[in-house]
Amino acid sequence: SQQGEEDPQALSIQEGENATMNCSYKTSINNLQWYRQNSGRGLVHLILIRSNEREKHSGRLRVTLDTSKKSSSLLITASRAADTASYFCATAEVSGNEKLTFGTGTRLTIIP
Amino acid sequence: AAGVIQSPRHLIKEKRETATLKCYPIPRHDTVYWYQQGPGQDPQFLISFYEKMQSDKGSIPDRFSAQQFSDYHSELNMSSLELGDSALYFCASSLLGGGYGYTFGSGTRLTVV
Repeated sequence: SQQGEEDPQALSIQEGENATMNCSYKTSINNLQWYRQNSGRGLVHLILIRSNEREKHSGRLRVTLDTSKKSSSLLITASRAADTASYFCATAEVSGNEKLTFGTGTRLTIIP
Repeated sequence: AAGVIQSPRHLIKEKRETATLKCYPIPRHDTVYWYQQGPGQDPQFLISFYEKMQSDKGSIPDRFSAQQFSDYHSELNMSSLELGDSALYFCASSLLGGGYGYTFGSGTRLTVV
C-alpha cells in the first residue's frame, strides 16, 4: 500500500502564481523529502525536512511538516514555466535503513 | 560533481530474456537503492545495499537479484523478463544518516517486447 498520498494529483496554475502541494503519510518517520521529476527523467532531490522540524526554506521552496497530522506541504512561490514537472514526497521511516517510500505525486503544469 | 551513473540508458529485451542494469554510486556514498517506476506510477523500492551487504528488500520479484561489488557499483539482474517488467529503473545512492537525501541516477528505461 502507498505510504504517501499526494493532493492534488494534478495542478495547473499561471506563471507567477504560487503552487501548493500536500502529502500525507501513515507511519512514523525520520524525515520527509520532496523530489521533482521531469517527464521520463530522473528524480531530483529538492529538500529534506527532519521529523523534529516544522518548516524549511530553500530558495522559492517552502516545506512544512506536521507530524501530529502526518502531513507535509510544498509551496513553490512565484512559479516559472520551468517548474512544470511531477513532484513527489517520500518518507524515510524510523525503523528503516532510510529507504524511501514515495507518494503518488502531483503533476504541476505552469501556464506561461 | 560526479553523479550517480546508470547504464544502459535504454534497453529493449524480449520476453523470457535476461537483463543486467548497472549503477555507479557517488564516491564515498555507502548506500545504494534500486527503484522501479512503471508508466504513470510512483517509484517502488526494490532493494538496497549498505556497505556491500543487502540491507533491505522491497517488492522485488524472485526473478530479480542484485548485488553490490567491492568497488561499490551495483548490478540488478532480471531474468525471465515479462511484459510487465517494462519500466524505468532508478538507482540512487546516499550517505546513511547524512540527512542530505538521495542522489538518483537518470535511470534505465527497460522495454520488454
